Parts: sequence; structure tokens; C-alpha cells
Amino acid sequence: QVQLQESGPGLVKPSGTLSLTCAVSGGSISTANWWSWVRQPPGKGLEWIGEVYHSGKTNYNPSLMSRVTISVDESRNQFSLKMSSVTAADTAVYYCARDAGGFTFDYWGQGTLVTVSS
Amino acid sequence: SSELTQDPAVSVALGQTVRITCQGDSLRNYYPSWFQQKPGQAPLLVFYDKNNRPSGIPDRFSGSSSGNTASLTITGAQAEDEADYYCNSRDSSGDLVFFGGGTKLSVL
Repeated sequence: QVQLQESGPGLVKPSGTLSLTCAVSGGSISTANWWSWVRQPPGKGLEWIGEVYHSGKTNYNPSLMSRVTISVDESRNQFSLKMSSVTAADTAVYYCARDAGGFTFDYWGQGTLVTVSS
Repeated sequence: SSELTQDPAVSVALGQTVRITCQGDSLRNYYPSWFQQKPGQAPLLVFYDKNNRPSGIPDRFSGSSSGNTASLTITGAQAEDEADYYCNSRDSSGDLVFFGGGTKLSVL
């Protein structure tokens, strides 16, 4: 059973950089799957941030791509999100998820709340 | 456009059938996935591709798609089905992922 676990600071200052890591267990990250970050502002819907393949290839949401970097570390079986120049609008629950074969998000992390505030 | 449009809210009487719809041009090329999300929980995959239901999901959940419209049908809705439901798909290039705005299902 694949499990994903997000980790990182729960509070980030405005104009700072949000950094999160997703640890994958129960399976290898080096498989034919994409690994995504999805966020959900309080009381709002889901927003896809971007994805990474184990080769390092990435795709990003055009509305966020100027501020976002997603990377993979096969040796640690984890992938990461960095988002720069954050504002209060970036306050959200951040989920990592596996996109099985690029077809569907079959495994999700529990989510981690990141608040942007001074 | 690669946006996915869902009705904000739908209600259904206990035990009746309800259809939650999702519209978007990308659905002409890709079958959507459907997720159920209850308060404080991560989304849960309930249906995907042409006709796939993950293990453990009741068979009262089914999906269909025609043209630019896809539907998730719950046949015999239960109280525990009250939740937000999201559809998602990729755009025509396959490089971008989109979620619908979500539908809040109330079971009366």
C-alpha cells in the first residue's frame, strides 16, 4: 500500500519561500507515475500546482509556474515543492498525490496546512 | 478552454439517485476522475477512466461520459455520501491537470 506524507513548516512569512517534502513509502517513486502537488485554500476547491516524473521532467500550472519548482529525489524516495514570493493568497492545505500513469490521482497524502503570515 | 465546470451544489433524498456533472472541452479527449472529499479529509478517488472503481468503493458509484460532459452517478444515495465531489482531467496536450470547482452534495 503506497503512502504519502507531507512535511514542512506550517508558517511562512510573506515574500518568503514555501518548502514542502512528500515522502513516499510502500512503493518506489521510480515508477511510471507522475507525482503531484495540489492545494486547497480554506473553504475553496482543489488547485493543481504541478507534477514531476522520476526522470525529473516537470509540468506546472501556468498560473503558478513563475514561482514554483518541483523536484524529485529518487535516492530518498521523495519529491519536493518550493514556492517563492508567497502571499496570504497562498495559505492553503497542500497535498501531495500520485498520478498513476498520468491517468488518475490514486494515492494522496493527508495534507498539511501552510499559513502565510508575518 | 481546459476548464472543468461543475454545479456548485446538488441535493438528493436518501436512497434516491443523483447525477453530478462535469463539463469541459478536455473531456472530449480524456475520461475524468472523480473524487469525494469530506471535511478535514484528503480527497478520495471514487471513479476513474471509462469504467473503473477503486477497491473498496461501493458499486452505487458509477461514471459515464459523452462529448464534453461527464457524470458521476450515485444510485441509492446514503447519508455517508454527503460530501464535496470534484472531477479532474488533463488538457488536450496531456501536460496540464485541471480540477472542476467542486459540487457540494447534500443528502436529505
